[in-house]
Amino acid sequence: AQSVTQLGSHVSVSEGALVLLRCNYSSSVPPYLFWYVQYPNQGLQLLLKYTSAATLVKGINGFEAEFKKSETSFHLTKPSAHMSDAAEYFCAVSAYSGGYQKVTFGIGTKLQVIP
Amino acid sequence: GAGVSQSPSNKVTEKGKDVELRCDPISGHTALYWYRQRLGQGLEFLIYFQGNSAPDKSGLPSDRFSAERTGESVSTLTIQRTQQEDSAVYLCASSLLGEGLPGETQYFGPGTRLLVL
Repeated sequence: AQSVTQLGSHVSVSEGALVLLRCNYSSSVPPYLFWYVQYPNQGLQLLLKYTSAATLVKGINGFEAEFKKSETSFHLTKPSAHMSDAAEYFCAVSAYSGGYQKVTFGIGTKLQVIP
Repeated sequence: GAGVSQSPSNKVTEKGKDVELRCDPISGHTALYWYRQRLGQGLEFLIYFQGNSAPDKSGLPSDRFSAERTGESVSTLTIQRTQQEDSAVYLCASSLLGEGLPGETQYFGPGTRLLVL
């Protein structure tokens, strides 16, 4: 069994401020972890993913996330928020189970950037 | 096409009617997923196709929901006798499934917005 918890369904930051979106996971096997972003009226697109290589993963648009096994976390950060970062962000965990790739998404965090 | 496409982009229907949603995955992608995204909620897994294997239907919410996929191409999600609670965005995603690699990236379509009146 696996699950994802995203703390904070809505996060507001000022333009130029640090962005921190929290994600904690549980998985009975070594997980693969993803962050997807959904802009208004669009489908989800991959921001970054962790596949057991480097624990600090860099993604598009200046985002990065660090896999911390001891904390079962995969928080998403960006040093300086831009207005264009306003979107909904989904954390997901993936593992093989019973011959299928099981992907479980969190409920999402809507990021608002205040000018 | 370069990405996953879905049709229709919007669908308004009356309660009790059947609807059919279509997904065209990226060519060559062996895995295909359907998700439901209700207003203000996260993605809810519905069904997963992997090549010619039996699909994982564990996420389908009721027997009114069914999906088919022909080989590694188009998939259709059918909702029979629609209810108002079926109103949601239905997202399709595909991935190029390697040899047992669960870290495959999913590529999402733009979704079909379904409104049941």
